[in-house]
Amino acid sequence: EIVMTQSPATLSVSPGERATLSCRASQSVSSKLAWYQQKPGQAPRLLIYGASTRATGVPVRFSGSGSGTDFTLTISSLQSEDFAVYYCQQYNDWPPSYTFGQGTKLEIK
Amino acid sequence: QVQMMQSGTEVKKPGASVKVPCKPSGYKFINYGINWVRQAPGQGLEWMGWISPYKGDTNYAQKFQGRVTMTTDTSTSTAYMELRSLRSDDTAVYYCARDGSIGGMDVWGKGTTVTVSS
Repeated sequence: EIVMTQSPATLSVSPGERATLSCRASQSVSSKLAWYQQKPGQAPRLLIYGASTRATGVPVRFSGSGSGTDFTLTISSLQSEDFAVYYCQQYNDWPPSYTFGQGTKLEIK
Repeated sequence: QVQMMQSGTEVKKPGASVKVPCKPSGYKFINYGINWVRQAPGQGLEWMGWISPYKGDTNYAQKFQGRVTMTTDTSTSTAYMELRSLRSDDTAVYYCARDGSIGGMDVWGKGTTVTVSS
């Protein structure tokens, strides 16, 4: 089973600054990596798929990079609505299966 | 508008079963798989399994094998997740999410809260 490890567990950043979140897979997942944002009391929202492609409606300040085992989600200039928990997720094509990281809480500094 | 409709709350006793519905709308039901993901209070996301409404194929996370059954009813365009032998640590919000053809889960329901308590 592939294990996804996110770091840090909590990240404190000021509005307007850049945030960099990391995700590491225990073995290569190629580019089959997605990122989600979850705000309190809400369902997760898909941000990035294929490691670097923004989902529909996602602002350009969100960008994903990486392949193989190491991935990064970058938020270029933090807005107030970006403070949330972020999860990475690896996926397998067939049969479909998924593993989530444990999450990174992005909080206001 | 694509939506995944889920009901609000279930309360069950330990040892009981729960069957959670999910009714997608805004797209052709059989064209996309459906995933079930749960989140215990204050915890992260946990994938439980996937079902194809087209053929009924399923793939369950090993942790839930033997205790979960996912089904679909194409006549009502509804997906179901049944979890048996409930324990207190099954208390969680249970989400259904569409399996996006692009990778990842692109549309999520608001979740059904299942509380297991004696």
